[in-house]
Amino acid sequence: SQKIEQNSEALNIQEGKTATLTCNYTNYSPAYLQWYRQDPGRGPVFLLLIRENEKEKRKERLKVTFDTTLKQSLFHITASQPADSATYLCALDKAGTASKLTFGTGTRLQVTL
Amino acid sequence: EPEVTQTPSHQVTQMGQEVILRCVPISNHLYFYWYRQILGQKVEFLVSFYNNEISEKSEIFDDQFSVERPDGSNFTLKIRSTKLEDSAMYFCASSVQGHEQYFGPGTRLTVT
Repeated sequence: SQKIEQNSEALNIQEGKTATLTCNYTNYSPAYLQWYRQDPGRGPVFLLLIRENEKEKRKERLKVTFDTTLKQSLFHITASQPADSATYLCALDKAGTASKLTFGTGTRLQVTL
Repeated sequence: EPEVTQTPSHQVTQMGQEVILRCVPISNHLYFYWYRQILGQKVEFLVSFYNNEISEKSEIFDDQFSVERPDGSNFTLKIRSTKLEDSAMYFCASSVQGHEQYFGPGTRLTVT
């Protein structure tokens, strides 16, 4: 069965450092991989989408890599700030219209001063 | 900035009762979804809807569940006879092209 694993339930880093979150998957061939942010009691917020033929995507302080051979995506937040503290969700998306998202369990990031 | 809205924010119901959760997707979006998240667990797909019909549904979305887009703006999820295990946060989402999705704030459903 499909499995999506995100590294450690929680990640604590100091303000200004780079946070690196990992998403590994098995038994799946996504056409797209997406990252979302979720704050407690709120809905997921879209951050970045990367296609299977793309290696890297950037948006401001965010960077995503996608390695379909390793079946892994890395999500980086550079110059992290306390406001970046949240749970980050990896989601797999297969080709086709109206395709469902299959979410990982998320990594809770805590950025401290 | 346009956003997905959901009502009510919290619904408490007794087991066996019917509930309707309402969503107003972003106006130019064409793809609509319902997901749920049981407390402490991951977000799970329920159903996708495009061109006035269901595109895909999960195993969770059994005969007790139905969706409707009654008037071109609202998108509803009905649970006919609620069970204790239906207690969860229900999120509506919409999308322009069927990939990046915009989620609403959710409805917390508590079944007693």
